[in-house]
Amino acid sequence: EVQLVQSGAEVKKPGESLRISCKTSGYSFTNYWINWVRQMPGKGLEWMGTIDPSDSYTNYSPSFRGHVTISTDKSISTAYLQWSSLKASDTAVYYCARAHTSSDAFDFWGQGTMVTVSS
Amino acid sequence: DIQMTQSPSSLSASVGDRVTFTCRASQSINIYLNWYQQKPGKAPQLLISAASRLQSGVPSRFSGSGSGTDFTLTISSLQPEDFVSYYCQQTYSTPNTFGQGTKLEIK
Repeated sequence: EVQLVQSGAEVKKPGESLRISCKTSGYSFTNYWINWVRQMPGKGLEWMGTIDPSDSYTNYSPSFRGHVTISTDKSISTAYLQWSSLKASDTAVYYCARAHTSSDAFDFWGQGTMVTVSS
Repeated sequence: DIQMTQSPSSLSASVGDRVTFTCRASQSINIYLNWYQQKPGKAPQLLISAASRLQSGVPSRFSGSGSGTDFTLTISSLQPEDFVSYYCQQTYSTPNTFGQGTKLEIK
C-alpha cells in the first residue's frame, strides 16, 4: 500500500527555522517525484516545488524559490521541506504528493502538516 | 506562468443533479489537466488525470473532457458526499498551477 506520512503540526516564531518531513512507503522511492503544495487558511492550493529523488534534481516555483529548500534522504525514503527563517505568512497546511514524472498528476498525497508561525 | 481559471467559484445544487465545472488555461496545455476533490480538513484526492482518465476507485459518475485551453468536470448524479471542493491543475509546465477551486454546496 502506497503511503506518504507527514510529520506533525508545528508552532514556531518568526525567524525560526523548521524542517518538516514526508515518509513514503509501499513503492520505489526513486521512481516518483515528490511535490510540495501549500494551502493557506481558507485558500486554494499552490505548488511550491518538486524533487526527483533519483538524482535530487529540484524545481521551485518562482514564488517560493529562495525561501524554502526541498531535499530527500533516499536511505529512509523520506522527503523534506525546510525553512531557514519563517514568516507569519508561512502559516499554512503543507502537503507532499508524489507524481511519476514532472508532467504527471499527483496520485498520492500525504495527510498534510499544519505550520503556525506566530510571535 | 500558466493561469488556471475555474468557474464558477461556488455552485449550489441538489442531490441527483448533473453539474459541470469549467477550467480554462491561459495558454494551450494539451491534455495536461488534472482534477482533484478536497474534503474539509483532508488532503486533495486525484479524480481525473490527463483531462479524461478516471482514477481507479473513483465513481463513474465523474467524467472529464477537453483539450488545449478549455476543460470540464462533470458529475452526472450528485451524491451527498460530493458537496465539497474541486480543483483543476495543469502539469504541462512548471510552475504547475491550480485553479482557485469550485465549492459545491447543497441547495
